[in-house]
Amino acid sequence: NAGVTQTPKFQVLKTGQSMTLQCAQDMNHEYMSWYRQDPGMGLRLIHYSVGAGITDQGEVPNGYNVSRSTTEDFPLRLLSAAPSQTSVYFCASTPSGQAYEQYFGPGTRLTVT
Amino acid sequence: GQNIDQPTEMTATEGAIVQINCTYQTSGFNGLFWYQQHAGEAPTFLSYNVLDGLEEKGRFSSFLSRSKGYSYLLLKELQMKDSASYLCAVRDRVKAAGNKLTFGGGTRVLVKP
Repeated sequence: NAGVTQTPKFQVLKTGQSMTLQCAQDMNHEYMSWYRQDPGMGLRLIHYSVGAGITDQGEVPNGYNVSRSTTEDFPLRLLSAAPSQTSVYFCASTPSGQAYEQYFGPGTRLTVT
Repeated sequence: GQNIDQPTEMTATEGAIVQINCTYQTSGFNGLFWYQQHAGEAPTFLSYNVLDGLEEKGRFSSFLSRSKGYSYLLLKELQMKDSASYLCAVRDRVKAAGNKLTFGGGTRVLVKP
């Protein structure tokens, strides 16, 4: 198993550009989520999905869209990039259930100038 | 909502013991996780507590008191490779099955020779 994969690893955008961060998992996990991590802020939940076709907002959803058309993929779209979205983005997945930990992808380091 | 507090930074000597405290105030609680994160890498799972008491796993132990909204992670026989950030995360009660987590800001532990 490849686990959770994310592309790209690094990205530089200009203000106003749009792009999609890709996330895929091959473990047949129902639950997937996107976090951003800023210095000193820990991880903050952007959007999550409890299964294909079902998504919901997390703590900081503004400026981001998600969709979940398959169990494997959970892309995160930045609609119009802003410098405040400069961050490290982590995708995570887990089987549904109480005692399962989240498996994190390697992260995407995004800079918006 | 959730509010999770942990110290920003701690320093300890190789071979010693360090205890990282985490306090939380939540509208719902369904388990507490500890993750380790080395600089530039993704978080990796360390421990999970849902009932009061101590969970031991090798050199790492985690304790939970639900009535006090308190947990700690104990690292024994510290090694240089334990220098990392340690993230406390609380699982919320959600209507649908899932694993929605709220993270604290993380505690950076520096192990000195």
